[in-house]
Amino acid sequence: AQSVTQLGSHVSVSEGALVLLRCNYSSSVPPYLFWYVQYPNQGLQLLLKYTSAATLVKGINGFEAEFKKSETSFHLTKPSAHMSDAAEYFCAVRAGGYQKVTFGTGTKLQVIP
Amino acid sequence: NAGVTQTPKFQVLKTGQSMTLQCAQDMNHNSMYWYRQDPGMGLRLIYYSASEGTTDKGEVPNGYNVSRLNKREFSLRLESAAPSQTSVYFCASTGWQGQETQYFGPGTRLLVL
Repeated sequence: AQSVTQLGSHVSVSEGALVLLRCNYSSSVPPYLFWYVQYPNQGLQLLLKYTSAATLVKGINGFEAEFKKSETSFHLTKPSAHMSDAAEYFCAVRAGGYQKVTFGTGTKLQVIP
Repeated sequence: NAGVTQTPKFQVLKTGQSMTLQCAQDMNHNSMYWYRQDPGMGLRLIYYSASEGTTDKGEVPNGYNVSRLNKREFSLRLESAAPSQTSVYFCASTGWQGQETQYFGPGTRLLVL
């Protein structure tokens, strides 16, 4: 069994401030982990993914995430928020094929000018 | 290369009506998926098709049927719509482009009255 918990359904940051979106997972086998971004009225777009090659994963738009096995976490960060980062972000865990992906409930990021 | 396309974008149905949601991908992917997205619940898998000619149930298949018409197309049918099926429906496909990646369509917003 696997699960994903995203802490905070809404996060607000000021433009230029650090973005930190939290994700904790559970998995009975070594997982693949993903972060997706969803802009209003659009589908999900892959930001980055962890596939056991490196614990610090860099993605698009300046985002990165660090896999911490001891903490079962895969938090998403960006050093400086931009207005265009306002969107909903989903963490997901996969243990097996893509039919076994479990998505988190999402975190809406608001960027305040 | 259009990626994953879905039609229609919006639909309003009355309880008991039927409809088919269409999905097509032009990336020559073997696997395709249908998800529904509800507020506060993330994405949940309805059905998937690992390859042309095969379909399998996901987490929430009740009230839906699917057809993998060919390698490109995967349709989702609601035989007798219910208000509980009001949701946003996403189609996705996975394939290898350097590594296995899942791509999402833009979604179909369905309201059942």
